[in-house]
Amino acid sequence: KAGVTQTPRYLIKTRGQQVTLSCSPISGHRSVSWYQQTPGQGLQFLFEYFSETQRNKGNFPGRFSGRQFSNSRSEMNVSTLELGDSALYLCASSFSGTKTDTQYFGPGTRLTVL
Amino acid sequence: GNSVTQMEGPVTLSEEAFLTINCTYTATGYPSLFWYVQYPGEGLQLLLKATKADDKGSNKGFEATYRKETTSFHLEKGSVQVSDSAVYFCALSSSGAGSYQLTFGKGTKLSVIP
Repeated sequence: KAGVTQTPRYLIKTRGQQVTLSCSPISGHRSVSWYQQTPGQGLQFLFEYFSETQRNKGNFPGRFSGRQFSNSRSEMNVSTLELGDSALYLCASSFSGTKTDTQYFGPGTRLTVL
Repeated sequence: GNSVTQMEGPVTLSEEAFLTINCTYTATGYPSLFWYVQYPGEGLQLLLKATKADDKGSNKGFEATYRKETTSFHLEKGSVQVSDSAVYFCALSSSGAGSYQLTFGKGTKLSVIP
């Protein structure tokens, strides 16, 4: 079974631009979560989607948004990029998004904002 | 709120040494506990998990026991190898607002020298 895939793997943008990251979950998984990883803040939860509905959102500004499609694939968007948005963005999928479920992570998208 | 505290590294060990990485947590209710590992340039991989008190998770020679009385989930391995060099994250998953998210510790970088 294929794992979680994320595209693109690397991105370089300039301040003020916007960016869209994509995530394809493991086949059959309906829950997709996004995390931001930085050296200073570590791993922080962005949001979680289940059956096209956002069920939970972390403490991030409204510039960060996402969506999930009917095939469970998910995208996240960051508008008006700031230097501090440079990070590794990780997507994770699980079967049902319950607390006992294992979340399987993709390789991440490395975003650099210049 | 939920939080995870783990010993910060870096930790440097000789091959075949005994490894312990301490992890304690604060959470409401009864969380599930996880250890994830991240190799350079990659996403997170599940190492082991435990979903209720006194459960022991184990994988690839690593073990951790869910201790509710001490709110701990320490990671141990009897004999480390050079290939175990990576960053290890302790995490918990608990309920909240109808969906579940992972809360991570800061990570412990392990280097194993021959």
